[in-house]
Amino acid sequence: GAVVSQHPSWVICKSGTSVKIECRSLDFQATTMFWYRQFPKQSLMLMATSNEGSKATYEQGVEKDKFLINHASLTLSTLTVTSAHPEDSSFYICSADHRGLGYGYTFGSGTRLTVV
Amino acid sequence: EDKVVQSPLSLVVHEGDTVTLNCSYEVTNFRSLLWYKQEKKAPTFLFMLTSSGIEKKSGRLSSILDKKELFSILNITATQTGDSAIYLCAAHDEKLTFGTGTRLTIIP
Repeated sequence: GAVVSQHPSWVICKSGTSVKIECRSLDFQATTMFWYRQFPKQSLMLMATSNEGSKATYEQGVEKDKFLINHASLTLSTLTVTSAHPEDSSFYICSADHRGLGYGYTFGSGTRLTVV
Repeated sequence: EDKVVQSPLSLVVHEGDTVTLNCSYEVTNFRSLLWYKQEKKAPTFLFMLTSSGIEKKSGRLSSILDKKELFSILNITATQTGDSAIYLCAAHDEKLTFGTGTRLTIIP
């Protein structure tokens, strides 16, 4: 149990376009989902916390207008990278709070974004 | 500011050796300490520790938390090449704060 499905696994886009990444909790309801970014050989950095039905809470330094987060249902959260630039190329991972069953936080499989 | 520090940053050992990975933390409203193993993609959950002094075990892996000294260790005995990965610890209050990870390499 406690599976989070993240799509796409990898995406290449042109500079200036927008990319949407989806995370779905498959067998549980996730009232809270977290979005992380990871640069090569670095740890996971929390970007924002999304709560179902309310606005996301962004970490300091993360541009809200650039990284749009929507958590419209208990099983789906999306991250849209708007007007992507090469410096946005990174590995993005979502996680859902599933501590209730002792799994800690369940992570999606991640999305490798390359902006060319 | 919440902070999690892991050591060593990288470790190379021979197959069969035992390793100990360290994690110290400073978070405002500590709730639990989590360990993850990250290979090519997303981290996979290993342990969640909430109580001091109680060892959690899973096969050759074990972990313990010291809430007084604010640290945790992850032990791996009889290491195998499949243990090669980055091991992340994270302290949980309202969110997870990750350490930088320890890159473990097991040489056959």
